[in-house]
Amino acid sequence: AQSVTQPDIHITVSEGASLELRCNYSYGATPYLFWYVQSPGQGLQLLLKYFSGDTLVQGIKGFEAEFKRSQSSFNLRKPSVHWSDAAEYFCAVGAGPSNDYKLSFGAGTTVTVRA
Amino acid sequence: KAGVTQTPRYLIKTRGQQVTLSCSPISGHRSVSWYQQTPGQGLQFLFEYFSETQRNKGNFPGRFSGRQFSNSRSEMNVSTLELGDSALYLCASSLTGADYGYTFGSGTRLTVV
Repeated sequence: AQSVTQPDIHITVSEGASLELRCNYSYGATPYLFWYVQSPGQGLQLLLKYFSGDTLVQGIKGFEAEFKRSQSSFNLRKPSVHWSDAAEYFCAVGAGPSNDYKLSFGAGTTVTVRA
Repeated sequence: KAGVTQTPRYLIKTRGQQVTLSCSPISGHRSVSWYQQTPGQGLQFLFEYFSETQRNKGNFPGRFSGRQFSNSRSEMNVSTLELGDSALYLCASSLTGADYGYTFGSGTRLTVV
């Protein structure tokens, strides 16, 4: 079964500074990997996804993520954080026919942006 | 195009009652999944439907059930509500399933008193 670990529960970053959120996954085959963002009281918005090909994936809002198979990681990055990036971020691994058609989520990382 | 629509947005129910939540997926999407989100347990998978068939179910008691209609709209039902069922219930739709990626709705906030 697939699983996801987000080691950092909470990160505080200054506006304009860079941000990196860590994600490690466990999955037997080539994973489908996703990063979602959630603002308080809202649903999940997809930031980016990796299925195959180029291991550096560009997403919305200036985010990017890099897939590293050797490290089983899919870390999310943003070069310069804006106050509006304060939210909770979830990494997820998806599975198709061979693994139950579901997303497995990490516990999430809450990002606080200070002025 | 319209996103995933969940109704109602907020709901307050009493213990022992039952509740039905509704989800309208993005047009053309045939896979609909439901997730429960709580502060303690995080995001937990409830079930997934594709073309009216349940393909997978998470580890929830039988009080939680769902169905999908021929137009891909989905409902989930919780019977004999317990205080612990208070949560944000999220619906997500996809063309084919988790391997394609899901678009989520804004959720239904259920409070059981």
